[in-house]
Amino acid sequence: KAGVTQTPRYLIKTRGQQVTLSCSPISGHRSVSWYQQTPGQGLQFLFEYFSETQRNKGNFPGRFSGRQFSNSRSEMNVSTLELGDSALYLCASRSGLAGAGDTQYFGPGTRLTVL
Amino acid sequence: AQKVTQAQTEISVVEKEDVTLDCVYETRDTTYYLFWYKQPPSGELVFLIRRNSFDEQNEISGRYSWNFQKSTSSFNFTITASQVVDSAVYFCALSSGRDDKIIFGKGTRLHILP
Repeated sequence: KAGVTQTPRYLIKTRGQQVTLSCSPISGHRSVSWYQQTPGQGLQFLFEYFSETQRNKGNFPGRFSGRQFSNSRSEMNVSTLELGDSALYLCASRSGLAGAGDTQYFGPGTRLTVL
Repeated sequence: AQKVTQAQTEISVVEKEDVTLDCVYETRDTTYYLFWYKQPPSGELVFLIRRNSFDEQNEISGRYSWNFQKSTSSFNFTITASQVVDSAVYFCALSSGRDDKIIFGKGTRLHILP
């Protein structure tokens, strides 16, 4: 099976712009989670989608949003970019059917730089 | 509240030495799951192992072994005869039966020196 894919892999934006990142989960996986990773804050959970519904949400401002499509692909959007949004954004998928015991599998990440 | 603590921020060892990465967790749930992930410089988190709270058997996979002890709420990871390719950041994670969120520790950066 193909793994989790994320596009683009690298992105450079300027403050105030908005950005959309895409994630395609492993085939058959219905849950997609997003994480932000920065050197100072480590891995921080953004949100999780299951069957097109947001199931969990982390403590991020409303500028961070996401959605999931009927084919389980997911996008996350960050509006009005700030310098502090520079980070590695990781997407992870799991089947979502076994509850908390499901293993998450991660994509390669999108490295966003905000200038 | 659930919590995962990886007290070792950074470890350096010489190649071929054994090294243990510590992970201590907190949860009130009786059903929970523990994970270890490896993040090499490329950035992708690679799944290593999953263990449920009812299975305290230690596990060995090649040079990797895991010691799960409920009495001390620990799930430690040992690399035997370390190699330079083991250099990475290692994350321990926890999820419980009540909350689908996976809580990650802050990671341990491991340097294997040639």
